[in-house]
Amino acid sequence: EAQVTQNPRYLITVTGKKLTVTCSQNMNHEYMSWYRQDPGLGLRQIYYSMNVEVTDKGDVPEGYKVSRKEKRNFPLILESPSPNQTSLYFCASSLITGGPDEQFFGPGTRLTVL
Amino acid sequence: AQKVTQAQTEISVVEKEDVTLDCVYETRDTTYYLFWYKQPPSGELVFLIRRNSFDEQNEISGRYSWNFQKSTSSFNFTITASQVVDSAVYFCALSGSGANSKLTFGKGITLSVRP
Repeated sequence: EAQVTQNPRYLITVTGKKLTVTCSQNMNHEYMSWYRQDPGLGLRQIYYSMNVEVTDKGDVPEGYKVSRKEKRNFPLILESPSPNQTSLYFCASSLITGGPDEQFFGPGTRLTVL
Repeated sequence: AQKVTQAQTEISVVEKEDVTLDCVYETRDTTYYLFWYKQPPSGELVFLIRRNSFDEQNEISGRYSWNFQKSTSSFNFTITASQVVDSAVYFCALSGSGANSKLTFGKGITLSVRP
């Protein structure tokens, strides 16, 4: 089954404790991206990657890191989480076909930083 | 800069009513793409439709229909004969044709369909 998986689905942590949210897709998509969803703000892009070893900042990259060592994986790293990073996070992937294709979203990771 | 405005924040209807969700966008690109996503209470994002800026044909898929009007920069979504299962948050999104296929989302419309 074609899908984007994220782990963990739920995470409660404390300020300053490094964490990684994993994202994996099995559709051989070149493009991957991370969004955060906050009430009243919709979804905003954090980082994106056009292919292996190619990453770039989105609209709200502060406090986050990413890496793309393999095509299928795109982990989101919070080196020192803070309470304002409490949010619902989505990973997405798509083909790059000359124009934006349908983005497939993972199930989401609900993060709470105390 | 791109912007998507979903002026309606919450809509409540009774089952079998028709409901239209409004979406207005701003972009300087001549080539762009518009999307609608549904987010049911379970939280996942479900793709509904993609439309490019050169295709102004309206689209119908079962009880769902979309009205794209470049003249008013709108891409409205109508649900005919709504059902309880349509209760969800609906997002309109916009993407340019550049290297980053970033989706710029509206803030979403919470639709509640009462039995």
